[in-house]
This record gives sequence, C-alpha cells and structure tokens, in this order.
Amino acid sequence: EAQVTQNPRYLITVTGKKLTVTCSQNMNHEYMSWYRQDPGLGLRQIYYSMNVEVTDKGDVPEGYKVSRKEKRNFPLILESPSPNQTSLYFCASSPDKTGFSEAFFGQGTRLTVV
Amino acid sequence: ILNVEQSPQSLHVQEGDSTNFTCSFPSSNFYALHWYRWETAKSPEALFVMTLNGDEKKKGRISATLNTKEGYSYLYIKGSQPEDSATYLCAFNDYKLSFGAGTTVTVRA
Repeated sequence: EAQVTQNPRYLITVTGKKLTVTCSQNMNHEYMSWYRQDPGLGLRQIYYSMNVEVTDKGDVPEGYKVSRKEKRNFPLILESPSPNQTSLYFCASSPDKTGFSEAFFGQGTRLTVV
Repeated sequence: ILNVEQSPQSLHVQEGDSTNFTCSFPSSNFYALHWYRWETAKSPEALFVMTLNGDEKKKGRISATLNTKEGYSYLYIKGSQPEDSATYLCAFNDYKLSFGAGTTVTVRA
C-alpha cells in the first residue's frame, strides 16, 4: 500500500530535549516536505527536499532541522524544542516539485512541548 | 508567504442540502490549485488538482471550478451527507504549495 508513515503519532516532551520525528514514504517520490498546522492557520511549510541531499527552508524553518540521506526518509529534528513548537506536524511527499501532482500526507504527529 | 484565503471559515449544512465555498489566491504566476479533504484524526487527502483556467472537476457529489484570471476556485458539495463533514483545504502552487486555513463543514443529520 502506498503510504507516508510518520512516527510517533503523539509526543509530549520538555523544553530543550532534542527530538526527532521520522517520516518515510514507499512511493519513490522525489519531493518531500514538512508542515505544521496551528488553529486558525493553514498548513505552513517548515522545510522541503527536492531529492536526496537537497533540502531548503520553507516559510517557518526556525528551530527545525531536516536531512535527506535516503530518498524514502525525511526526518524532522528539533534540537532544542520550545513551547511555541507545540503543534500538529505533517510530512508529505509528491512525485516531483511541479505541483501538478497531488501530495500524500502522513498521519500527523501531535507534539506538545512543556 | 502567499495569501490564500478560504471562506467561510466554517459552515453547517443540513443533510441533503447542497453547499459551496471559496478559495481565493493570487492570480499571477499560477501553476496549480489543489483541494484536499481533511477528516478529524486522519491525514489530508487530495480531491482535485486543477491546472487550467475554466477547469471543472468532479468526484462523486463533490465538484470544483477554477478561475485563474480572477484568482478563485469554488468547491461544491451536492446533497450533503454526514460523511462529508470535514475540513476542506485549498492550496495554491506557484513553486511550492501554500495552504489556506480551510473551511470546516459540519453536516447535520
């Protein structure tokens, strides 16, 4: 089954404790991205990757890091989480960056930083 | 950050009624307009990807139209059913997807 898998689904952590949210897709997609969703706001892009070893900042990259060492995986790293990073996070993939193809989303990770 | 606006923010519909709502986006530099359906506790799922001015797409009771010259798209739900309750997101693509805040539809039985 074609899918994007995120882990964990739920996470409560403390300020300053490094964490990683994993994302993996099995569709051989080139383009992957991370979004955060906050009440009243649309999905906002954090980082994106057009292919292996190619990553770039989205609209709200501060406080986040990513890597793309393999085509299927695109982890999101919070080196020193803060309460303002409490949010719902989605990973997404699509065949390419043109936007002519739909994006496939993971199940979401609800992160709470206390 | 591109300004993609959806209205209304939420709406309540009686089962069996039809409804529609709007996505507004910049009319310049258009590549594609996406619609996604997002049910509570699930992932957003694509409904339509629209690329041409005048495009009309349909999936079951849901359809969408696109006007790239004036920068808007309408999503229509005909004969709403409780399972249509969801948040509907539109996303404008010039070189990346920029999402609106969504229209949350609640269908009352």
